[in-house]
Amino acid sequence: EIVLTQSPGTLSLSPGERATLSCRASQTISSSNLAWYQQKPGQAPRLLIYGASSRATGIPDRFSGSGYGTDFTLTISRLEPEDFAVYYCQQHGSSPLTFGPGTKVHIK
Amino acid sequence: QVRLQESGPGLVEPSETLSLTCTVSGYSISSGYYWAWIRQPPGMGLEWIGSLYHSGITNYNPSPMSRVTLSVDTSKNRFSLQLTSVTAADTAVYYCARIGDSGPFDYWGQGILVTVSS
Repeated sequence: EIVLTQSPGTLSLSPGERATLSCRASQTISSSNLAWYQQKPGQAPRLLIYGASSRATGIPDRFSGSGYGTDFTLTISRLEPEDFAVYYCQQHGSSPLTFGPGTKVHIK
Repeated sequence: QVRLQESGPGLVEPSETLSLTCTVSGYSISSGYYWAWIRQPPGMGLEWIGSLYHSGITNYNPSPMSRVTLSVDTSKNRFSLQLTSVTAADTAVYYCARIGDSGPFDYWGQGILVTVSS
């Protein structure tokens, strides 16, 4: 099983600041098999990034993904009030499909 | 627009079977794609339960999923989850989702909270 570790666990930032979230895999993942999701309280997760760096439909360009191998990054260039949420990475190249534990981005 | 909607009982007694259905609208399941169940215990992270194709091909998470059965009813455009011998540890929000072209979960239902309690 591929274990995903996310850091930091919590990120305290102000609107307008840049957020950098990390996802590390226990073994190499093809970049095409790494996704990022955003989840707000009481809502289902929403797909943000697939293939490590491709934005899903309707996702603003302030969200970007990068990385390869075992280290991946989600960057939010300038935080908007609606971006404060929990972010999960997920790998879908190897069964069982696994998620990271999440990074909570909250308002400082 | 693809929409998914979970339905089923919100309360299940310990040792009983949890049964949920996901009804899909805006897309015919028999046209393709894999469909999945994911759960999230209160205040915790996401766990993939399993996936299935319209032909009945399934793929399960081995832990804890020897108790899981997934099935599909293409005539009603829905798929189902059965989880036997439930315990309090199975209390969670259960989501159904579609696995998109490139592999991630691209459409999600709103989720249904299932509590295991007597």
